Amino acid sequence: DGGITQSPKYLFRKEGQNVTLSCEQNLNHDAMYWYRQDPGQGLRLIYYSQIVNDFQKGDIAEGYSVSREKKESFPLTVTSAQKNPTAFYLCASSWGQGTSTDTQYFGPGTRLTVL
Amino acid sequence: GQQLNQSPQSMFIQEGEDVSMNCTSSSIFNTWLWYKQDPGEGPVLLIALYKAGELTSNGRLTAQFGITRKDSFLNISASIPSDVGIYFCAGQGDTGNQFYFGTGTSLTVIP
Repeated sequence: DGGITQSPKYLFRKEGQNVTLSCEQNLNHDAMYWYRQDPGQGLRLIYYSQIVNDFQKGDIAEGYSVSREKKESFPLTVTSAQKNPTAFYLCASSWGQGTSTDTQYFGPGTRLTVL
Repeated sequence: GQQLNQSPQSMFIQEGEDVSMNCTSSSIFNTWLWYKQDPGEGPVLLIALYKAGELTSNGRLTAQFGITRKDSFLNISASIPSDVGIYFCAGQGDTGNQFYFGTGTSLTVIP
């Protein structure tokens, strides 16, 4: 069954704790992305990665960190420095640079609530 | 980052009516994508467009890549209750992998 998986679906954390959101894809995509979505709003890019061991900051990277040690995996850590971390987090992947017909696919999302 | 202008912001229609929404950009795109998102779920890809002027259908959905490469349109014919959701457009330009998203159109279908 091909696609993008995110776990867990719901996550609760106490204020001041770091938390890591998982994202795995078996689509053999080179590029992976993390977005944040707040109620009634569009998608804002946090980080993206075009290849293994390389990633770039998006529009709202402050308070977040990522790693890309494997092609299939792109975990996102929400650190205690993120001032308003409660949100819906979406992971996505695409074929990547140099693809004239690139298409982005999304995972099911993780809803993070910081208490 | 660039945000695309998507309109209308919301629509309330009767079941069976047709729906039109559009997305505009200040810069040229090579790819336009249309997604539908249900509450609490990730966006699902509906239609992908890669060529200016291209018109592509997926069942009752039809999308067009504008000739100027700065806009795209999505039409839904004969709407049904399960069409309810938020529709997003996304575009990708020449530089890098980044996709830019519209603010979404919330569709409500009244039975």
